[in-house]
Amino acid sequence: SQQGEEDPQALSIQEGENATMNCSYKTSINNLQWYRQNSGRGLVHLILIRSNEREKHSGRLRVTLDTSKKSSSLLITASRAADTASYFCATDARRGGADGLTFGKGTHLIIQP
Amino acid sequence: NAGVMQNPRHLVRRRGQEARLRCSPMKGHSHVYWYRQLPEEGLKFMVYLQKENIIDESGMPKERFSAEFPKEGPSILRIQQVVRGDSAAYFCASSPARDMSSYEQYFGPGTRLTVT
Repeated sequence: SQQGEEDPQALSIQEGENATMNCSYKTSINNLQWYRQNSGRGLVHLILIRSNEREKHSGRLRVTLDTSKKSSSLLITASRAADTASYFCATDARRGGADGLTFGKGTHLIIQP
Repeated sequence: NAGVMQNPRHLVRRRGQEARLRCSPMKGHSHVYWYRQLPEEGLKFMVYLQKENIIDESGMPKERFSAEFPKEGPSILRIQQVVRGDSAAYFCASSPARDMSSYEQYFGPGTRLTVT
């Protein structure tokens, strides 16, 4: 089963609008992170939210975490063309502290100028 | 402070050849992780290493794949006798000494392996 499923798979909006992406996961976690990947490039860390936190802000980014529903959302406000990328959530599971991150398949975001 | 370095950025191998991918973590980072990304997919964890130790290799294929992180030098992901299905982007990430409550992984630009 897939840990960290993003929804929607693809999203196209106009510049200036807000973009919301969701992530669901299956197991207990230490924290959840969001990453951005531009086409053909490496991943850029955006924001980390711990399991005991409910909301976190960083610039135009807002992340929420609901551990009871095992879900998270990433909101990008006032989107820009440069925000066009794939966005991945990644979970750090509680298992001896020696795991890698588990990624979903990502949401491909397109910002139309 | 340079970021995570990976080389080569692109690697083409014929079926049956060996592929060696290198990763130099960020300065001061002692934890290295390797991930594989197939087209249109998310990253899949392969292996987690500290200097001279493999901590978790639960994501590594049982055969042909091996990884090391020697005392000196970069971490190496080695794929023997490559097959077409090995074609993917391989990413390395590093992190500082691990804090159970939170940590970030810093990713390199990846090595794109193409098997012909």
